[in-house]
Amino acid sequence: GDSVTQTEGPVTVSESESLIINCTYSATSIAYPNLFWYVRYPGEGLQLLLKVITAGQKGSSRGFEATYNKETTSFHLQKASVQESDSAVYYCALDLIASSSFSKLVFGQGTSLSVVP
Amino acid sequence: DAGVTQTPRHEVAEKGQTIILKCEPVSGHNDLFWYRQTKIQGLELLSYFRSKSLMEDGGAFKDRFKAEMLNSSFSTLKIQPTEPKDSAVYLCASSLAWEIEQYFGPGTRLTVL
Repeated sequence: GDSVTQTEGPVTVSESESLIINCTYSATSIAYPNLFWYVRYPGEGLQLLLKVITAGQKGSSRGFEATYNKETTSFHLQKASVQESDSAVYYCALDLIASSSFSKLVFGQGTSLSVVP
Repeated sequence: DAGVTQTPRHEVAEKGQTIILKCEPVSGHNDLFWYRQTKIQGLELLSYFRSKSLMEDGGAFKDRFKAEMLNSSFSTLKIQPTEPKDSAVYLCASSLAWEIEQYFGPGTRLTVL
C-alpha cells in the first residue's frame, strides 16, 4: 500500500546543532508521488514547510531542505543549524494523485522536535 | 483572506454523547478534508468532499462518524456516540480542486471522558 515512515520522536537537539529527520515512503498506486514536509508549531495549525514534485530535485524553506530520492524512496529533512523556534512536530507526506484527478495526502506519524539552549 | 476556521477549539464530552465539530474552508476552495490526529496513529483521513460531494468516507470510521457539507462554505463532523478512544485532535483542511497544497485549520481537541 501507500505509506510514509519517519524518524520516531521525540527528538531533542541542542541549538546550533545539525538535524536530520528521516522519511521513507512506499507508493504503490502512483509511480512519482509529490512529496511534502508539513510542520505544526505549538498552538498553531499544520502548515506546509516545503514540497518537491520532481524526482531528484531539492526543496528548501526556512533553512530546511529535503531531496526527493526516487532510488531510495526517501525524502529526509535536514537543517545545518537549528534554533529554538524550530521546536515543532514535523510531518512527511506524499500526495496520491489518482487517475480520477483528485489528490489525497498520506502522512507519516509525525516527529516531535525539541531544540534546547 | 481568512484561513480554515474550526470550532470549537476544545470540546469535552461524556462517553455516549453526540458532538458536532464545525469547519469553514478557505473561501473558493472546492475540496474539504477531515483528519483525525492521535499520537499513536498520526494523521488519519476521515472524510473527503469535492464540491460538496462525498468522495471518501474513511472506511473504518463509518459507523459512528458522519461528515456533511451543507454548503460550499460549511462542513460538520458528527460523532455519535462518542467513546474515550475518540479523544484526539480533529483537523479540517481545504484546497482548490486543481491545487496540491492543503490548508489546515487549527484543529479541535476532543476529550471524551
